Amino acid sequence: NAGVTQTPKFQVLKTGQSMTLQCAQDMNHEYMSWYRQDPGMGLRLIHYSVGAGITDQGEVPNGYNVSRSTTEDFPLRLLSAAPSQTSVYFCASSYWASGDENEQYFGPGTRLTVT
Amino acid sequence: GENVEQHPSTLSVQEGDSAVIKCTYSDSASNYFPWYKQELGKRPQLIIDIRSNVGEKKDQRIAVTLNKTAKHFSLHITETQPEDSAVYFCAASNTPLVFGKGTRLSVIA
Repeated sequence: NAGVTQTPKFQVLKTGQSMTLQCAQDMNHEYMSWYRQDPGMGLRLIHYSVGAGITDQGEVPNGYNVSRSTTEDFPLRLLSAAPSQTSVYFCASSYWASGDENEQYFGPGTRLTVT
Repeated sequence: GENVEQHPSTLSVQEGDSAVIKCTYSDSASNYFPWYKQELGKRPQLIIDIRSNVGEKKDQRIAVTLNKTAKHFSLHITETQPEDSAVYFCAASNTPLVFGKGTRLSVIA
């Protein structure tokens, strides 16, 4: 198993550009989520999904879109990049959202800089 | 929604001493409380978790306690070693999982 994979590892964008951060998992996990990590702010939830076709907003959803057309993939789209979106982005997945088997596995992260 | 507070934000201990990190949560329906360790430049990794029907869980030098009435849970690391130096995050879940802001632990040899 590759686990949770993210691409790209690093990205530099100019203000106003759009892009998609890719996340994929091969563990047949139902629950997937996106976090951003900024110094001193911990891991803040952007969006999450409890299964294909179902997404919901987290704590900091503004400026980001997600979709979940398959169980394996959960891409994060930045619509119009802003310097405030400079951060490290982590994707995570688990079998379920609650109850047993909900240990979250994190991807390696994408370091995004917006100039 | 859930809100998780974590203290302290930084913690320095001498090698061999114990370290304690405390978290409180707001949603009484939360039933899963994991702790993650993140080394510099790496992804967070689960080190221990506890569920709402258990008061305490131990794994070698690491233990977690949960007080559901007071809505707080704690991580205890005994006999700390330099390799325990990292950022530790608590989290609470009633879907979705919400994290605390982290504690930077430094173990001084």
